[in-house]
Amino acid sequence: EDQVTQSPEALRLQEGESSSLNCSYTVSGLRGLFWYRQDPGKGPEFLFTLYSAGEEKEKERLKATLTKKESFLHITAPKPEDSATYLCAVGVIQGAQKLVFGQGTRLTINP
Amino acid sequence: DVKVTQSSRYLVKRTGEKVFLECVQDMDHENMFWYRQDPGLGLRLIYFSYDVKMKEKGDIPEGYSVSREKKERFSLILESASTNQTSMYLCASSGYEQYFGPGTRLTVT
Repeated sequence: EDQVTQSPEALRLQEGESSSLNCSYTVSGLRGLFWYRQDPGKGPEFLFTLYSAGEEKEKERLKATLTKKESFLHITAPKPEDSATYLCAVGVIQGAQKLVFGQGTRLTINP
Repeated sequence: DVKVTQSSRYLVKRTGEKVFLECVQDMDHENMFWYRQDPGLGLRLIYFSYDVKMKEKGDIPEGYSVSREKKERFSLILESASTNQTSMYLCASSGYEQYFGPGTRLTVT
């Protein structure tokens, strides 16, 4: 069974305190690893897609990396506006490409 | 810019009513999806469609149906709304990456 597990469930940091979020997965045939950001009461916002182990992508203070079993979302010197829930998903093929989502990490950055 | 719109941000319906949630995308995507999101349960796929008039059941299709008559529009139908269908409903479309709409917060009383 395709499965995605994110840790920690919640993380509270001080402004400027760097950290990493983890996404581990088991999937029969990976068709991409996707990161989303979701603000309260809104739809998820696409951040990154990673396709193969060793790949990295960056956007402002965020950097996503991928290994064969997990992905990390590194947050460098975060600001309060980075507070959100970060969702990880793996792509699987079933007719169309579907996404299997993790439960998310709720990140809070205190000023 | 990528654009997925949903017909309502907030909706309140009574038990037993028929409810229509509409989603429109302007990216000419083949694939469209309906999810519900509940605290502690995450995002769960209800139905998806990979072509006009084609539909596939997701993980939790019971109590729902869908319609896709045009490529850009995908509708979710609650035939007889129940209180356990109170949730945040999210539509998405994809070529490869999925792009989400703003969501509809549905309350069934």
